[in-house]
Amino acid sequence: QMQLRESGPELVRPSETLSLTCTVLDGSVNDGDYSWNWIRRAPGKGMEWIGYIYSGGSYKSTSSLRSRVRLSIDLAKNQISLSLHSVTADDTAVYHCARGRSYYGGNKFDPWGRGVRVTVSS
Amino acid sequence: SYEMTQPPSVSVSPGQTATISCSGNLLGHKYVSWYQQRPGQSPVLVIYENNRRPSGIPARFSGSNSGDTATLTISGTQVADEADYHCQAWDGDSFFAGGTTLTVL
Repeated sequence: QMQLRESGPELVRPSETLSLTCTVLDGSVNDGDYSWNWIRRAPGKGMEWIGYIYSGGSYKSTSSLRSRVRLSIDLAKNQISLSLHSVTADDTAVYHCARGRSYYGGNKFDPWGRGVRVTVSS
Repeated sequence: SYEMTQPPSVSVSPGQTATISCSGNLLGHKYVSWYQQRPGQSPVLVIYENNRRPSGIPARFSGSNSGDTATLTISGTQVADEADYHCQAWDGDSFFAGGTTLTVL
């Protein structure tokens, strides 16, 4: 059964870059039927979709973060990565990766990783 | 941006039926998915396309969506169902509501 595992620093200084990696186990990121997504949940708030990337390298991010987000995919390592630049305390959250599947009029995320808690603080 | 709202919390007694709502403008025109998240665990897809259950999800989980409101229904609620539940829809991008904490006591 496919598993997703996030990794990266749990503490990031304000104005620096948050960098996370998601490793896919028992499955392949090289499948054009699926997107690979980053989703976060800040303390006391709901989930927020950050963006997705496909195996071909095309990606899209939510408009509120677009100027600061970069997504990448490494087919050889079976990993996807998130870079979020110029972070502030508002970027403190648990960050999850999830496989996405789109269909006419909707989409779904399954499975998800457990997430990594990232705190932005000096 | 598309906004959806959920009640922050719902309480139910074991064996009873829990209903969790998710509201948004013309939400009934979109497909809604629901995710269960137990503390410290990965979120799990329990409903997609409004009312379809992934394999392995018990039949006591069901969903509906009409008008401005989607509903997740858990029949015969068990203590193990205690978790946060998140609704999600697509409107060009993916959007989530604020989540509902289900307490079973």
